[in-house]
Order: sequence, then C-alpha cells, then structure tokens
Amino acid sequence: GENVEQHPSTLSVQEGDSAVIKCTYSDSASNYFPWYKQELGKGPQLIIDIRSNVGEKKDQRIAVTLNKTAKHFSLHITETQPEDSAVYFCAVNAGGTSYGKLTFGQGTILTVHP
Amino acid sequence: GAVVSQHPSRVICKSGTSVKIECRSLDFQATTMFWYRQFPKQSLMLMATSNEGSKATYEQGVEKDKFLINHASLTLSTLTVTSAHPEDSSFYICSAASQGNYGYTFGSGTRLTVV
Repeated sequence: GENVEQHPSTLSVQEGDSAVIKCTYSDSASNYFPWYKQELGKGPQLIIDIRSNVGEKKDQRIAVTLNKTAKHFSLHITETQPEDSAVYFCAVNAGGTSYGKLTFGQGTILTVHP
Repeated sequence: GAVVSQHPSRVICKSGTSVKIECRSLDFQATTMFWYRQFPKQSLMLMATSNEGSKATYEQGVEKDKFLINHASLTLSTLTVTSAHPEDSSFYICSAASQGNYGYTFGSGTRLTVV
C-alpha cells in the first residue's frame, strides 16, 4: 500500500518567518496531494491541494510544490502568523483514483511564536 | 462550499453500550464516505470506506462487527460503535467524497469517551 512520510514532526518558527513541511510517498500512480490544517478538537481543513499535472500552486501565503519524479511534495507558508499554529497533515490518494482513500502523513506540529 | 455535518461532537458512554455517530453532507451528494479514527497526537487512520447502498470495506485490523457503518443514502452515513470499551475512546472523523469532485470534505469530528 501507499506509504507517506512527513517531516519534520515539530516545527517552531518566529512570526514572520517561513515554514516548510515535506512529504514523500511511494505510489507513483498517486495524483492528488492535499494539505490539511487541524486545530485541537476539530476536523482537518483543506488549505491547499495540487494535482500531478501541476508542479506548483500558490494561494496567498501558502504554496505547494510537487516533484513527481522524486515523489515528494512540500508545503510552504510565508510570513507566518501565530494563528498558523496547528497540526498540518499531508495526504496522498491511493492508486490515483479520483475519490479513493487518502493516506495521511504523520503530521507536523507548527508553532509560530509572536 | 461543501459541508459535512457530524454529530455528536462529544459523547461519553458506559462500557458495553453502543454509540452512533452521524455524518450528513449538507449541500452535495456523498458518493463515498470515509471513516477515520485519530488517537491523541497521532495521524488519521482509515477505518473503512463506504459507498452508498453497498457494504463498507474495512481496513485490515478493524472489526466490522464492532464498527457498524451504514451509508443508506447519498447524504447520510453512520458509524455505530457497538459494545464500546475504554480502548475505543478516540476522535472519530468522517470524510465525504462526491463523484466528479476531486476533493474530500471532512466532518468536525466526534470525541468518544468510554467510561
């Protein structure tokens, strides 16, 4: 099955700095790569996603880059703010099916210090 | 945008009793519903996948007789934890996918505590 590795497990930055979280995956057929933000006691919220026909996607302070050859994708958050503090998960769709199951990374606890 | 309403948000039950968790897609038809379990400080682990009108497919190690999933309509899926035990205490999350929509919409989660 799909194996997703996410690093780092914890990330601490100062407000205004950039944060980068990286995920690697094993199934070359995977073609959908979302990133989720989860706050304590809540369900995951999609913050950005990318499909395999695109190398990079940006939405204001958040960007995702994808390297299909190397099978890794990264989340970039610029100008971090304290409200960005949360747990972030990457995910990959199994087998490249359009609404198949997602396999999640282990999560990254991001702390932004004021 | 797409919304999945999950209830209850918190539930405490006694050992041996059953608990039902509901997920409703409010403004779209959920072709597929996924149920996850999340232990503290851990990632989401898929328990089962259900398609409307079909039997759920359970992940390895998940007891189908203990975690009953019903997906009787395109807008409602339920997870029933039967004969609950303290080790079943966890955060349960549903996620809906609709045909043609390449995204997944998550519910807000249910914190189950078995005492």
